[in-house]
Formats: sequence, C-alpha cells, structure tokens
Amino acid sequence: AQSVTQPDIHITVSEGASLELRCNYSYGATPYLFWYVQSPGQGLQLLLKYFSGDTLVQGIKGFEAEFKRSQSSFNLRKPSVHWSDAAEYFCAVGAKSGSGNTGKLIFGQGTTLQVKP
Amino acid sequence: NAGVTQTPKFRVLKTGQSMTLLCAQDMNHEYMYWYRQDPGMGLRLIHYSVGEGTTAKGEVPDGYNVSRLKKQNFLLGLESAAPSQTSVYFCASSYTRNPSGEYFGAGTRLSVL
Repeated sequence: AQSVTQPDIHITVSEGASLELRCNYSYGATPYLFWYVQSPGQGLQLLLKYFSGDTLVQGIKGFEAEFKRSQSSFNLRKPSVHWSDAAEYFCAVGAKSGSGNTGKLIFGQGTTLQVKP
Repeated sequence: NAGVTQTPKFRVLKTGQSMTLLCAQDMNHEYMYWYRQDPGMGLRLIHYSVGEGTTAKGEVPDGYNVSRLKKQNFLLGLESAAPSQTSVYFCASSYTRNPSGEYFGAGTRLSVL
C-alpha cells in the first residue's frame, strides 16, 4: 500500500540555521509529491510539488526539495530559517489505483517546526 | 474566482446531532475530496467524487455520507455526530485525476460534545 512517513514529529532549529525535514514514501512508480505548510489554526499552503523532470524543486518562501528515487525520499530544505517558518509541515503523495492516478493524496503525519531566537 | 469555499468555518455540535458541511468550487473541477485532520495523523481521506452524481469511500468513511448533486458542490453529512468526529475538515478539488495539490478549502473546525 502507498504510504508516507515523516520520521520527525518535532524539530527545533535556531533562527538562521539550515533546515531539513525528512519525507519517505512507499510507491510503485514515479509519484506526485507535495510539501505543505500549516500555521496554527490555518489551512494548508502548498510549498512545492514534484511530478517529473529536475529532481531539485524550488518552492515558495525559499524552500526547496529533492526527489531521490533510490532512497524513496523527498526531503524539504531551507538554507536559513526565519522565525516565521515555525509551523507544521506535511509531505504528501498522490495515490494511484490499478487504473492510474486518482487525484487523492496520502499525507504524512506532519512535522512541527519550532524556531529558537 | 473564489477557489474552494467551505461552509461553515466553525461548528459545535452535541452528540447525536446532525449537520452538513458544504464545499463549493467555481473552477469546473471534476474531482472533489473530503479529508479530516487529527493531531499526529496528518490528513485522511473520508470520501471523494470523480464527477457529478458519483461518490466513493476513502480511508475513513464510517459515520459520514456525501452527495454530489451538482458539479460545483460536494456535501459531507454527519447523521449522528460522535465525539470521535471532532476534527478539522478540509475539502479539496482537482481538474483531472492527476493531483495538482493546489486547491484546498480553508477548513471547517467541528467540535462534538
């Protein structure tokens, strides 16, 4: 079955430090991959997505993610974290059935990012 | 363009009460989805629809019903609310079966007492 795992439930980094949030997926083919951010009490904001092509994807707010097929990973990175990046981050994969894509998304459990001043 | 609009934004129910959550999209999307979000569990698919008049079960459908009588609207019903249905509900839509991931509603916060 398709699944997404975010191994880190909670991460704390200092402001200005680099950030990497991990995402591993279980999937039988080239997946559609997404990263979302959610501030407390707010909805989901799409940071970036990968469908095909260049495995390094640039997103909004200075985030990037790299698709590594050999490791089944799609880790999110940012070179310098700002206090406003404190939020919950979700990785998701597009679900497939026997007849192909379904449009449904399978989400990871989420990683809460805390930023120390 | 309003995108995906969810109504209401907040609701408090008593156990056993019923209610309907409305999701409306103005983008002529074929595919619509209802997810629920619970702490530590990410978002999980409740029901979805691949077109007007069609619905299908997702990962956690028990206790919910849905209808898609009009292409632009996808309704999620709770016939007899239970405290376990306290959650944040998100609606999403997609033009095709290839997920764009972009179109989510702002969410409905539901508390069942």
